[in-house]
Order: sequence, then C-alpha cells, then structure tokens
Amino acid sequence: NAGVTQTPKFQVLKTGQSMTLQCAQDMNHEYMSWYRQDPGMGLRLIHYSVGAGITDQGEVPNGYNVSRSTTEDFPLRLLSAAPSQTSVYFCASSLGPHAGNTIYFGEGSWLTVV
Amino acid sequence: DAKTTQPPSMDCAEGRAANLPCNHSTISGNEYVYWYRQIHSQGPQYIIHGLKNNETNEMASLIITEDRKSSTLILPHATLRDTAVYYCIVRVNYGGSQGNLIFGKGTKLSVKP
Repeated sequence: NAGVTQTPKFQVLKTGQSMTLQCAQDMNHEYMSWYRQDPGMGLRLIHYSVGAGITDQGEVPNGYNVSRSTTEDFPLRLLSAAPSQTSVYFCASSLGPHAGNTIYFGEGSWLTVV
Repeated sequence: DAKTTQPPSMDCAEGRAANLPCNHSTISGNEYVYWYRQIHSQGPQYIIHGLKNNETNEMASLIITEDRKSSTLILPHATLRDTAVYYCIVRVNYGGSQGNLIFGKGTKLSVKP
C-alpha cells in the first residue's frame, strides 16, 4: 500500500514549457486534489475531483489543467510555465468529499520555473 | 480565507506536553476541526480530527470546547521530532467546495532539549 505517490519529486522548467505532474493513489479513493505551497505560506487548493470524470476549480486554478480518467490517477498539467508557478505541489486523496473522511497527502513535487 | 486563528509560534520542552490552541469562533454545526502538521516542507501529516466530542489517538488528543469555538491539540510527551508547523483547519461539509481543506499559516512548534 503506497498511499499517494507523486512524480517527479524535482523538476526545473523553462518559461513557456509545459509539463505534467503525476499523482496516483492505491486506496480506491474517490476524492483527489492538488495544492500548491509557496515559501512561508499554507497550502492553497488548485483543482479537485470527487470522482472519475468530475473535476472542479479550487482557489488558484489559473495556468493549470486537470483531468480524471481513472479513480487512481489525477495528473496536473502546466500549460505554459511561468516563474510565478515556482512552488511545491502536493497531491491529496480521501475516500470522499465528506468532511469526516481523512485527507492524505503525497510527499510533494518541487517545481522551479526559470 | 481560513476560519481559524493560531499563534504563529510556540516553544515546548522535550518530554513535556505541548498544548496548541486554535480559535474557530465562526464554525458551523456540521464542520469538522482537523489538525495536520508539516515537517520541513514534507507532505502534511494527518494528526487527528473531531466534530463535537474530544478525541484521542496514538499521536495526540483533541479537546473541543462545548461551544465549539475553540480547540486544543495536545501532544502528551513532545519529542524533538515533533518540531513542525501545526495547522488547525475547519473543514466545510457542504456546498461546492465540500471537503476541501483551507490552510492558514499554522503554529510553528519548536521542541527544545
């Protein structure tokens, strides 16, 4: 049982490049989400999904795209990377959106855009 | 915006209990109180959560006041490895953002030898 797995752990991009951050969970969780964390700040929600085929925007969705074709995977795409997207990205999952279901986080992906 | 208020930092002596306060005066009746911690930019680690009653698990205890406007996380015997940023989060249970976590800046707990 690996929990929430994120890849890559570290990535450097040039401005304008695109890339995909991968997130997979093996707990059969319906609810998945992506957060970003900037230095000295708490996490902010980018996008979330309550099940396969269903996604919605969080607090800071601009510049990011998501899809949920399977229960296990929830990739985050950066369409045209900008220096403002330099951050640590965390993927998370839980059984469902009900607030009584614990959310578990991955270990993070460090992204630098130059 | 986060619905909680926490002190920015606290110190605790190793081996003593660490009591971390949190105010959530606008909490609604069906909103949960969650605690997470983050050690040096690792992924947030779940600690405990509660709705109305006090809760205890192998990591900590959560004491929620009767009016639910504040709570305290208790680490009974703090160790150096408990040094981290602790986030108190009120988690909504309704509406479009149901289930999402809204993080504040948390409390940086420093456990000292």
